[in-house]
Amino acid sequence: KAGVTQTPRYLIKTRGQQVTLSCSPISGHRSVSWYQQTPGQGLQFLFEYFSETQRNKGNFPGRFSGRQFSNSRSEMNVSTLELGDSALYLCASSGSSGGYGETQYFGPGTRLLVL
Amino acid sequence: SQKIEQNSEALNIQEGKTATLTCNYTNYSPAYLQWYRQDPGRGPVFLLLIRENEKEKRKERLKVTFDTTLKQSLFHITASQPADSATYLCALDWVFGAGTRLAVHP
Repeated sequence: KAGVTQTPRYLIKTRGQQVTLSCSPISGHRSVSWYQQTPGQGLQFLFEYFSETQRNKGNFPGRFSGRQFSNSRSEMNVSTLELGDSALYLCASSGSSGGYGETQYFGPGTRLLVL
Repeated sequence: SQKIEQNSEALNIQEGKTATLTCNYTNYSPAYLQWYRQDPGRGPVFLLLIRENEKEKRKERLKVTFDTTLKQSLFHITASQPADSATYLCALDWVFGAGTRLAVHP
């Protein structure tokens, strides 16, 4: 089974721009979660989508948004980029049943640098 | 708010010894806890899940304990090898600890 894929792997943007990151989950997985990882804050939960609906949300500003498509692929968008948004963005998929507590399988991440 | 604490200092041990990492949590009554391994520049990889009714779980050289009274989980790697060097994260649902970096020296 193919793993979680994320595109692009690396991205450089300037302040004020917006960016869209993409995640393809493991086949059959219906839950996709997004995380931001920085050296200072560690792994921070952004949001989780299940069957095209946002099911859980972390404490990030509204500039961070996401969506999930009918094929479970997900996109994350960050608008009005700030320098502090520079981070590794990780996507994880889980669950063919969508239950809580299922193991998360992470993608390789997208490294975003905001200049 | 829910909080997970892991020893932020790196753990340095000699090859062949047992590494023990600690995960403490507050404001949470989890039904399960998970441990992940992360190598630099890569996404975390799932290692073990332990449920609240399980005191201990093993997988090869790995052992996890879960004490819901102490609100603590211990993660052990026996007969450690340099290839075990990585950052180990504990997680409750979508909340991850900051991780403990383990360095195993030959």
